[in-house]
Amino acid sequence: EIVLTQSPGTLSLSPGERATLSCRASQSVGSSYLAWYQQKPGQAPRLLIYGASSRATGIPDRFSGSGSGTDFTLTISRLEPEDFAVYYCHQYGTSPPYTFGQGTKLEIK
Amino acid sequence: EVQLVESGGGLVQPGGSLRLSCAASGFTFSSYSMNWVRQAPGKGLEWVSYISSSGSTIYYADSVKGRFTISRDNAENSLFLQMNSLRDEDTAVYYCARGIAAPGRRYFDYWGQGTLVTVSS
Repeated sequence: EIVLTQSPGTLSLSPGERATLSCRASQSVGSSYLAWYQQKPGQAPRLLIYGASSRATGIPDRFSGSGSGTDFTLTISRLEPEDFAVYYCHQYGTSPPYTFGQGTKLEIK
Repeated sequence: EVQLVESGGGLVQPGGSLRLSCAASGFTFSSYSMNWVRQAPGKGLEWVSYISSSGSTIYYADSVKGRFTISRDNAENSLFLQMNSLRDEDTAVYYCARGIAAPGRRYFDYWGQGTLVTVSS
């Protein structure tokens, strides 16, 4: 089973600042298989990034993803008030289980 | 517009059973694999089960194997999760999610709003 470890657990930043969220895999993950989701309280997760670096439809360009192998990063270039939420990385490889990271909570400082 | 609407959640005693449904619309349901993902209160996301577009390939998380059964009815555009021998730790919001598996890209693109399952005596 591929374990995804996200860091930090909580990130406290102010609007306008840059956010960098990390996702580390216990073994190599194909870039095609790594996605990022945003979840706000009481809502379902929303796809942000797929294939490690491709933005989903309608996602603002302040969101970007990078990385390969075991280290992946989600960057939000300039935080907007609506960006404060919980972020999950996810690997949907060719073999189950299809694991999620434990999440990073992005909170307003 | 793609829509996934879960139903069937509720309060059930430990050892009991529940059947969740996910009604799909706005896309050709029979062309897509589907998944169930759950989220315990205040916790993260946990993948539960996968079913291929035809229903011929099925996978389960170890935590539910032997107790849960995923199925689908492509004629009715519906996904199901039969949950038996429920435990306290199965308490969660259950989401259905559409899977995308194409060359160079694999991800869950659409999610339902979730249905809450509470296992308690």
